[in-house]
Formats: sequence, C-alpha cells, structure tokens
Amino acid sequence: GENVEQHPSTLSVQEGDSAVIKCTYSDSASNYFPWYKQELGKRPQLIIDIRSNVGEKKDQRIAVTLNKTAKHFSLHITETQPEDSAVYFCAASINTGGFKTIFGAGTRLFVKA
Amino acid sequence: DAGITQSPRHKVTETGTPVTLRCHQTENHRYMYWYRQDPGHGLRLIHYSYGVKDTDKGEVSDGYSVSRSKTEDFLLTLESATSSQTSVYFCAISVALAGDYEQYFGPGTRLTVT
Repeated sequence: GENVEQHPSTLSVQEGDSAVIKCTYSDSASNYFPWYKQELGKRPQLIIDIRSNVGEKKDQRIAVTLNKTAKHFSLHITETQPEDSAVYFCAASINTGGFKTIFGAGTRLFVKA
Repeated sequence: DAGITQSPRHKVTETGTPVTLRCHQTENHRYMYWYRQDPGHGLRLIHYSYGVKDTDKGEVSDGYSVSRSKTEDFLLTLESATSSQTSVYFCAISVALAGDYEQYFGPGTRLTVT
C-alpha cells in the first residue's frame, strides 16, 4: 500500500526566511497531494493541494511542487511569519473520494521572531 | 468548518468500557471518515463510509466498529476501550469540487482511556 515519508520532523527558521518541507510517496497511482496546517489543539486545515497533472502551484506565500518521476513533492513557505508556526502534514491520495489518503507523520515548524 | 461537528469533544473512560463517538455533518456529503492522531504518526484512517450503511476498514481498524444509518451521522464505537486507544479522533468529510475531492476535518475528540 501507499507510504508517505515526510522530512524534516522539526524545522526552526527565523522570521522572514523560507521554509521547505519534503515528502515522498510510494504508490505511483496517487494523483492528489494535499497539505494541511494544524495549530495546537485545532483541527488540520487544508492550505494547498496539487494534482498529478500539475508540476507547481502557488498561493501567495506558499507553493507546492511535484515531481512524479521521483515521487516526491514539497511545500515552500516564503517570508515566514510567527503565525506560520504549526504542524504541517503532507498526504497522498488516489482522488476517488479521498478514502485512500495516506498522511505523512508531520513537520513541526517554529518561526522565531 | 464545512458543517462538521463531533461529540463529545473530550472523554475520559476506563479500560474495558464501550465508547461511542459521533460525527455529524449538515451538508449531505457522501464520504465520511474516522482518523486517529497520535504523536509521530500523523493521521491514520480507522474506517470510512461511502454512503448510508456502506462502510469499510482503513489502516488501523482493529478494535473499532462504525455505523452510518443516516447520511448526516457517522458513529465510531470502541467496543471495549484499551489504553492504546487513547488518542485524538478526527472525523472528516470529502467535498466534491470541480470533479475532484477535498477533505475537511471536524474539531476532534480527545479520548483518554485509563
């Protein structure tokens, strides 16, 4: 079955710097890759996603890239702010309703002011 | 919040007791899911439903059962709770958007089994 690995598990950056989180997946049939942000004590919130027919997607300060050949995808946050501090999860899915979504273990991002 | 609520939000129970968690949605979505979240494991799928009375197992289904008798409610039952089932449980739904699906989570239930 699908396996998603996420690195690093913890990331600390200075405010204004960029942060990059990387994930790899194993099932070449996966075609949908969402990213979630989870603040302490809150639910995971979808922040951006990418589909397998697209190599890159950007939304303001966040961007995702996908390399289908290498089976890896990344989240890039530019100009980080203290409110970006949270746990980020990547996931891989065969997008037929979502029930084959497999999550990475998460990255705890600290943005130091 | 995609119209998802969970109850209870917090529960403490003793080993061996049955526990039922409820997920309720107001927007008639077909797909519903139960996940558990534990440190170092991300979110792991317990069971999911693709319609009334249509359910199937996820990756960590042992010790759990589910029922969906109405579109809006998806129940997760721990028949005999164990300490290893101490976790935060999230319900989720899939929302169809432009031919694809996006998943949204409920607020979570923190369950402690003593």
